[in-house]
Amino acid sequence: QKEVEQNSGPLSVPEGAIASLNCTYSDRGSQSFFWYRQYSGKSPELIMFIYSNGDKEDGRFTAQLNKASQYVSLLIRDSQPSDSATYLCAVTRGGADGLTFGKGTHLIIQP
Amino acid sequence: DVKVTQSSRYLVKRTGEKVFLECVQDMDHENMFWYRQDPGLGLRLIYFSYDVKMKEKGDIPEGYSVSREKKERFSLILESASTNQTSMYLCASRRTDRGNQPQHFGDGTRLSIL
Repeated sequence: QKEVEQNSGPLSVPEGAIASLNCTYSDRGSQSFFWYRQYSGKSPELIMFIYSNGDKEDGRFTAQLNKASQYVSLLIRDSQPSDSATYLCAVTRGGADGLTFGKGTHLIIQP
Repeated sequence: DVKVTQSSRYLVKRTGEKVFLECVQDMDHENMFWYRQDPGLGLRLIYFSYDVKMKEKGDIPEGYSVSREKKERFSLILESASTNQTSMYLCASRRTDRGNQPQHFGDGTRLSIL
């Protein structure tokens, strides 16, 4: 059974601070890792993806992957109120397979 | 930009009806997917397709079928709708010719079965 675990939150972070979101997965065969942002009533929107161990940065977002520990994280620097949303971690073995999602972390950025 | 279009944002049907949910993508993607999203359960994969007329069961295929007659269109079918199929349904697509490309989602269909 493939599982992806996330703390459901809510995680409350002051505006301008760093928000740190974490995710662990059970399937050691997972090859690709994705972070999606979902606003209430909307569909998931891709934020970041990472395939290799280490860090990947894109603007205010940094994804971190540690395959040995089966751990993925997302850092959001200079957090803005518009970053308030549910963040979904998703993993896949690749190929044509679908994604296995965590249940998401609800992030609140306090002005 | 990738455009994944789901035919309805909101749909209300009755128990026992045959329900069709349609999804169209405009980027010539090989791979298409259907998920449902429920509070407390997250997003779960129902079916996916990696080519025309090809389909694979996901994690929760019971009560559903799919059709992919053309590359751009992937339909989800509820053969005899039941109240436990009330949910948000999300379609996604991705290309497969360049490694592990991300999936792109449509806006979703909120389906209520009465």
